[in-house]
Amino acid sequence: EPEVTQTPSHQVTQMGQEVILRCVPISNHLYFYWYRQILGQKVEFLVSFYNNEISEKSEIFDDQFSVERPDGSNFTLKIRSTKLEDSAMYFCASRDAGTSAYEQYFGPGTRLTVT
Amino acid sequence: AQTVTQSQPEMSVQEAETVTLSCTYDTSESDYYLFWYKQPPSRQMILVIRQEAYKQQNATENRFSVNFQKAAKSFSLKISDSQLGDAAMYFCAYVAGTYKYIFGTGTRLKVLA
Repeated sequence: EPEVTQTPSHQVTQMGQEVILRCVPISNHLYFYWYRQILGQKVEFLVSFYNNEISEKSEIFDDQFSVERPDGSNFTLKIRSTKLEDSAMYFCASRDAGTSAYEQYFGPGTRLTVT
Repeated sequence: AQTVTQSQPEMSVQEAETVTLSCTYDTSESDYYLFWYKQPPSRQMILVIRQEAYKQQNATENRFSVNFQKAAKSFSLKISDSQLGDAAMYFCAYVAGTYKYIFGTGTRLKVLA
């Protein structure tokens, strides 16, 4: 069964450093998402992406964040200058435009630790 | 604005017994989906069950079933014959026209042997 993959599974970085979180969505999916979950809290929407453009972003997704689909398979989330409060689990998700268009498929997540 | 509320931060159930987790939501949309996700300690999001709002019949997946009350905007999850492996955080989620998921705050389920 096709699945969304994410790398790395755990990333430790120092405050102020740039990080890139990588995702490989399901191959025929066209819509991509990033969500964030701070430890002990709920999962929150960050950004949606379609046709090489951001479709929607939350207030969390400020100028420190960017997303990119650099090739036909990867979807990345970049944080330019990490802060302690960026420590969280980051989930990538993708969906197609078919009959179950509302359903997103989640990757296993990347745990980001900022020290 | 759409919201999802899970009013039970923690629930406990005896092994082999039945437990119901509550979820309510607020929306003005008529077409939407609802989901229950399980999050074990690994923190991976595992889909448990989905419900399309236009379907009146409650969804079931083996030991998992929902009680979907559209007028009341309620979407509870019933776990029958609870097993030790069911212990996890459970999140209710809603998605509609903007396609972004809105999650509740979660319910931690403990299963007692």
